[in-house]
Amino acid sequence: DAGVIQSPRHEVTEMGQEVTLRCKPISGHDYLFWYRQTMMRGLELLIYFNNNVPIDDSGMPEDRFSAKMPNASFSTLKIQPSEPRDSAVYFCASSYRGGSSDTQYFGPGTRLTVL
Amino acid sequence: QQPVQSPQAVILREGEDAVINCSSSKALYSVHWYRQKHGEAPVFLMILLKGGEQKGHEKISASFNEKKQQSSLYLTASQLSYSGTYFCGTRRGQNFVFGPGTRLSVLP
Repeated sequence: DAGVIQSPRHEVTEMGQEVTLRCKPISGHDYLFWYRQTMMRGLELLIYFNNNVPIDDSGMPEDRFSAKMPNASFSTLKIQPSEPRDSAVYFCASSYRGGSSDTQYFGPGTRLTVL
Repeated sequence: QQPVQSPQAVILREGEDAVINCSSSKALYSVHWYRQKHGEAPVFLMILLKGGEQKGHEKISASFNEKKQQSSLYLTASQLSYSGTYFCGTRRGQNFVFGPGTRLSVLP
């Protein structure tokens, strides 16, 4: 299996621009998570999906952030308009919660820089 | 509410041992441990599901005290490759929360 795939790996944009981050989870996994990591705030859960349905988006910072999962193999995280304080590494992770184990497998992350 | 980890950072010489603690003010029903190397994604190490459970992965092991609501990660005879940030995490209902992380540096 190729693991969780994220694109782009790096994104540099200017304040006010729209940014779209993409994620392809591991096939067969029924949970997908979006995290943001910064030095100041650590690893924060933004939103997660179960079977393509958003379950908890309480971690989404504000209305500028939105996430979708149109099918089991694709999810997007969009920031519009972007601001310098959105600069961070964004990770997507997927897991399968069958049984008692729900190990999360992380993608390589997207390093976002907003100028 | 996220778990608390201690220490925040630790520096070791190769071959020394270390203990990283994870505790919670709320009940812990399971504890996950992840390691993140610099510039990489977090990688799963192990999960402890029951109080009293202990697990090992090479020279890294962990214990889970459900009553005390805490877990400890033990790194024995540390190697340079153990350097990184270690996170504990736990389920909160359907949600999942990570601790703030413990930065481990192993020096030659």
